[in-house]
Amino acid sequence: EDQVTQSPEALRLQEGESSSLNCSYTVSGLRGLFWYRQDPGKGPEFLFTLYSAGEEKEKERLKATLTKKESFLHITAPKPEDSATYLCAVYGNRDDKIIFGKGTRLHILP
Amino acid sequence: KAGVTQTPRYLIKTRGQQVTLSCSPISGHRSVSWYQQTPGQGLQFLFEYFSETQRNKGNFPGRFSGRQFSNSRSEMNVSTLELGDSALYLCASSLAGLAGETQYFGPGTRLLVL
Repeated sequence: EDQVTQSPEALRLQEGESSSLNCSYTVSGLRGLFWYRQDPGKGPEFLFTLYSAGEEKEKERLKATLTKKESFLHITAPKPEDSATYLCAVYGNRDDKIIFGKGTRLHILP
Repeated sequence: KAGVTQTPRYLIKTRGQQVTLSCSPISGHRSVSWYQQTPGQGLQFLFEYFSETQRNKGNFPGRFSGRQFSNSRSEMNVSTLELGDSALYLCASSLAGLAGETQYFGPGTRLLVL
């Protein structure tokens, strides 16, 4: 069965303190790995889609990378407005549905 | 372009009742998928509809059902509500489906079952 595990569950950083969030996955025939940001009381907001190992994508202070077993979301010099829950999800050939991780709650202190 | 809309935004029901939630996708999107989000289980896939047909289904009991209309709008129905059905229900739309496609989420409907 396809699985997604995100770590850490929660992370507190000082403003400007760079770090990385991890998404480990087990999937048969990866057809897409997705990163979303979710603010309290709102629906997830799309950030990135990665399709194959070695792929990287960037957007402002965020950079997503992908290997055959995991993905990282790197946050460079974060600001308080980057505080949110970051969700990772995969879609594979076998299960034919999207599997989400439990998310990483990120809190950036000013 | 207008985003995904969901109605109602909040709902309170009692055990044993049934509920219908509505989702209007982004214009031009033909796929609508539904998700349940709870603090304990996180975001879980319910089902996906494309061109009025259910294409994929998650591991939820038959009390959870849905449909899609010719204008791509979708409804989700939960019958015989249980306390454990209290959750944020999210829908998402995409152009062609789940496979590698970006899903655009609505704001969700928060359901409380008493």
